[in-house]
Amino acid sequence: EIVLTQSPATLSLSPGERATLSCRASQSVRSYLAWYQQKPGQAPRLLIYAASIRATGIPARVSGSGSGTDFTLTISSLEPEDFAVYYCQQRSDWPRITFGQGTRLEIK
Amino acid sequence: QVQLVESGGGVVQPGRSLRLSCAASGFTFSNYAIHWVRQAPGKGLEWVAVISNDGSDKKYADSVKGRFTISRDNSKNTLYLQMTSLRPDDTAVYSCAKDLTLGAADYYFDYWGQGTLVTVSS
Repeated sequence: EIVLTQSPATLSLSPGERATLSCRASQSVRSYLAWYQQKPGQAPRLLIYAASIRATGIPARVSGSGSGTDFTLTISSLEPEDFAVYYCQQRSDWPRITFGQGTRLEIK
Repeated sequence: QVQLVESGGGVVQPGRSLRLSCAASGFTFSNYAIHWVRQAPGKGLEWVAVISNDGSDKKYADSVKGRFTISRDNSKNTLYLQMTSLRPDDTAVYSCAKDLTLGAADYYFDYWGQGTLVTVSS
């Protein structure tokens, strides 16, 4: 099973700041990685797939990068609605799909 | 707009069975693979199963293989998850999720339902 490790567990930032979230895979997942945002009581929302492709309706301030084992989700200037939990997910080893444990982005 | 609405959750004793449903609307259901994903209370996400758009291909997580069965009725735009031999560690919110890609299982999930809670407890 491919283990995805997200860091940091919690990130405390202020609106307007830049957020950088990391996801590291235990073995290469090539570019088969997605990012999701989840707010309390809501379903996850697909942000990025194939490591760097923004899903429909996702603003340009959200970007993904990386390949192999190291990936980054960047939010260039935080808006109030960006504070949530973020998960990465690999599909390289399908059907053994795995998710990271999540990074909580909280308001400082 | 795309909607996925799960139902059928509840409290069940260990070893018993339960069937979940997921009613889909707002897209051509028969064109997409659909997944079940679960989230234990306060925990992260775990992929459970997928079924191809025509129902001919099914895949399962090792943790549920042999106990859970995924199926679909394209005439009713509905997905199912038959769960048997339930265990306390199956306790979770179960959500259905639409695959991103038309006609194939790409294992990216672009729309999710809100989920239905299954609690396995004596």
